[in-house]
Amino acid sequence: NAGVMQNPRHLVRRRGQEARLRCSPMKGHSHVYWYRQLPEEGLKFMVYLQKENIIDESGMPKERFSAEFPKEGPSILRIQQVVRGDSAAYFCASSWNPGLAGGPLETQYFGPGTRLLVL
Amino acid sequence: GENVEQHPSTLSVQEGDSAVIKCTYSDSASNYFPWYKQELGKRPQLIIDIRSNVGEKKDQRIAVTLNKTAKHFSLHITETQPEDSAVYFCAASGGYNKLIFGAGTRLAVHP
Repeated sequence: NAGVMQNPRHLVRRRGQEARLRCSPMKGHSHVYWYRQLPEEGLKFMVYLQKENIIDESGMPKERFSAEFPKEGPSILRIQQVVRGDSAAYFCASSWNPGLAGGPLETQYFGPGTRLLVL
Repeated sequence: GENVEQHPSTLSVQEGDSAVIKCTYSDSASNYFPWYKQELGKRPQLIIDIRSNVGEKKDQRIAVTLNKTAKHFSLHITETQPEDSAVYFCAASGGYNKLIFGAGTRLAVHP
């Protein structure tokens, strides 16, 4: 039973280039979350998606960042015109049945992360 | 806004001792509190979680307690072993199922 998959594991970009990070959720999971982790810091929520829908993007910068989770294929986190401050580890997590309002929240399982380095 | 504070930031113990990590959260609507262990360069791995309808949960050497009134929850590791050395993160559920993480505790267990 494959876990959450992410690729690439490492990505090097020069300032101004685009970065595309991919995430395939666990089998049976249709909900994906993206988090960013700066060195020596905790994980910060960026965006929560279901198939073909962005549910909550409150943690994602308004400029240059976008995310999608198409009907077919992995979820993509796209960073345009990268800057040095974008260097971080980007983790995605998936869950089976996220909680309804006031209800239980199912466990989020994390992928191995993509470490982005902007030169 | 939603916030989770975690203490201490570093913790050093001797093998066999207990370790306690404490977190407080701000959102009274939070109802799910997982703990993750992250080894260097690896993914966060869930080690235990607790929901708001439970005050305490235990799994072998690991236990978590929750005080909803005080908005406080703690991780307890007993009989620590060198392989417990890692960074531990607490988290609290926020709106739309996102997790709000603490800043992490770097635990070092010395043989």
